[in-house]
Amino acid sequence: AQSVTQLDSQVPVFEEAPVELRCNYSSSVSVYLFWYVQYPNQGLQLLLKYLSGSTLVKGINGFEAEFNKSQTSFHLRKPSVHISDTAEYFCAVSESNTGKLIFGQGTTLQVKP
Amino acid sequence: EAGVTQSPTHLIKTRGQQATLRCSPISGHTSVYWYQQALGLGLQFLLWYDEGEERNRGNFPPRFSGRQFPNYSSELNVNALELEDSALYLCASSYHRGSNQPQHFGDGTRLSIL
Repeated sequence: AQSVTQLDSQVPVFEEAPVELRCNYSSSVSVYLFWYVQYPNQGLQLLLKYLSGSTLVKGINGFEAEFNKSQTSFHLRKPSVHISDTAEYFCAVSESNTGKLIFGQGTTLQVKP
Repeated sequence: EAGVTQSPTHLIKTRGQQATLRCSPISGHTSVYWYQQALGLGLQFLLWYDEGEERNRGNFPPRFSGRQFPNYSSELNVNALELEDSALYLCASSYHRGSNQPQHFGDGTRLSIL
């Protein structure tokens, strides 16, 4: 069965500093990977996706992620964060032919002034 | 382009009652998905509808059910409500059933059971 592990439950960082949110997945088949962001009292917004091709994926709001098949990782990065990036971030893998997204437990990014 | 819309935003019920949650997908999307986000349990897959048919359901009891209408909108019904059903219920939609299709989420319905 596929699974997703987000290695940090909370990541505090100062404004304008770089950040990396870590995500590892387990799968024996081809994977489609996603990062979503959830702001307070809102739903999930798609940040970026990896379907195939280039392992470096660029998304919205200056975020990017790198797919590493050998390490089964899909870490999310941003070179300089803003206060407005404070939110919960979810890594997800799409399970083949089931319609199901399997989510990690989420990482709370806290950007401090 | 309008996003996924869900109604109501909040719903308060008591134990044993029934709740109906509604979802309108993005125009052109035919697949609708339902997820439960409960405190401490994370995001759990509930149901998947595509072209009016239920395609898959998660590990939830039969009192969780739903349907998809000809216009691709969907409703989730929860019967015999229990306290642990209190959660944010998120609906998502995508173009079609392919696993590589990103799911786009609405803002959810917060269901509170008293």
